[in-house]
Amino acid sequence: QKEVEQNSGPLSVPEGAIASLNCTYSDRGSQSFFWYRQYSGKSPELIMFIYSNGDKEDGRFTAQLNKASQYVSLLIRDSQPSDSATYLCAVRGGYSTLTFGKGTMLLVSP
Amino acid sequence: GAVVSQHPSRVICKSGTSVKIECRSLDFQATTMFWYRQFPKQSLMLMATSNEGSKATYEQGVEKDKFLINHASLTLSTLTVTSAHPEDSSFYICSARDIGSLNQPQHFGDGTRLSIL
Repeated sequence: QKEVEQNSGPLSVPEGAIASLNCTYSDRGSQSFFWYRQYSGKSPELIMFIYSNGDKEDGRFTAQLNKASQYVSLLIRDSQPSDSATYLCAVRGGYSTLTFGKGTMLLVSP
Repeated sequence: GAVVSQHPSRVICKSGTSVKIECRSLDFQATTMFWYRQFPKQSLMLMATSNEGSKATYEQGVEKDKFLINHASLTLSTLTVTSAHPEDSSFYICSARDIGSLNQPQHFGDGTRLSIL
């Protein structure tokens, strides 16, 4: 059974702080790792994806992958109230389907 | 970027009605599309994987005769909820992945909020 674990939160950070969202996965064969953001009542939108160990930066977002530890994280710098949403970690191996975590709710207070 | 269009965005209908939801990939070809269901405050649940030109693959516990999936072309998949009942009320979301690279991310449609009275 492939599992993706996330802390449900809520994770509360003040505006301007760094938000750190974490995710662990059980399948060592996983090859692709994705972070989606989902606002209440809306469908998920892709934030970032990462395939290789290390860091990948895109604007205020940095994804970090450590395959040895089966751990992937998302850092959001200079957090804004508009970043308040549920962040879904998703993992895929080969051509298989995505396995989603249950999501972490992030609350950024002004 | 890749765009997935889903229609309708909202449906309210009486119990016993069948409802069809369309999912289109607008600027890429998708051999495979995915149908998810999400109940309030819960995570996405994969219902089925839709394969162009062949039968859909359903997840355990999802009734294939209840949720009919047709993937007639590389850009269109439809989900029909047959004889819908109030317990079928949920947020249905489709997703598609470009036919190209193995590691292409999935892109989601805007979802269909189904309310059965």
